[in-house]
Amino acid sequence: GAGVSQTPSNKVTEKGKYVELRCDPISGHTALYWYRQSLGQGPEFLIYFQGTGAADDSGLPNDRFFAVRPEGSVSTLKIQRTERGDSAVYLCASSFTGGTDRSNYGYTFGSGTRLTVV
Amino acid sequence: AQSVAQPEDQVNVAEGNPLTVKCTYSVSGNPYLFWYVQYPNRGLQFLLKYITGDNLVKGSYGFEAEFNKSQTSFHLKKPSALVSDSALYFCAVRPHNTDKLIFGTGTRLQVFP
Repeated sequence: GAGVSQTPSNKVTEKGKYVELRCDPISGHTALYWYRQSLGQGPEFLIYFQGTGAADDSGLPNDRFFAVRPEGSVSTLKIQRTERGDSAVYLCASSFTGGTDRSNYGYTFGSGTRLTVV
Repeated sequence: AQSVAQPEDQVNVAEGNPLTVKCTYSVSGNPYLFWYVQYPNRGLQFLLKYITGDNLVKGSYGFEAEFNKSQTSFHLKKPSALVSDSALYFCAVRPHNTDKLIFGTGTRLQVFP
């Protein structure tokens, strides 16, 4: 697609429920990133995929958070037993990295999913 | 710990005047540096980046930034501000040994007509 697409744009859920957030990266972008932006803060790194595998998941706050990218394109961020503190905007970004080619350092971000846990 | 600091929560400037949004960083080695802008209900939009070479980087919409290694700074500048530049600006750094961005807390730029 023309840009990074995130669905839904808004999600309201009850405390304790399970949610899934979807990210459609730019076609051909091999790297995909999830960030979380709380109110008044800058985005915080959650997890990064290179192809189908999670290259770095050090930012996931706890085991309630999980992300997959089974075919190396679309990714789903899954949050179990949601808590009010999970309320934030979840941003997805993608970029093209061609193996050892590190000449492109651009990241394209989606508009985000605003998650509200009530 | 690796971090990015944006010391000003808000910068106010009159239209037509020059603007500066400050950013300093603390990372080991030589980082890659970025500026992004965020408009309401929109994603982050890339403005410019410093990878290597000339310390003065020119980007989108007339913005530029100067990398200062000794001061570990990467301030965003524009010679003449527009009302439409009003938005939230984020500085970010990517250490050489990782692919993740570390963001500052953001600076809200308000340009008054």
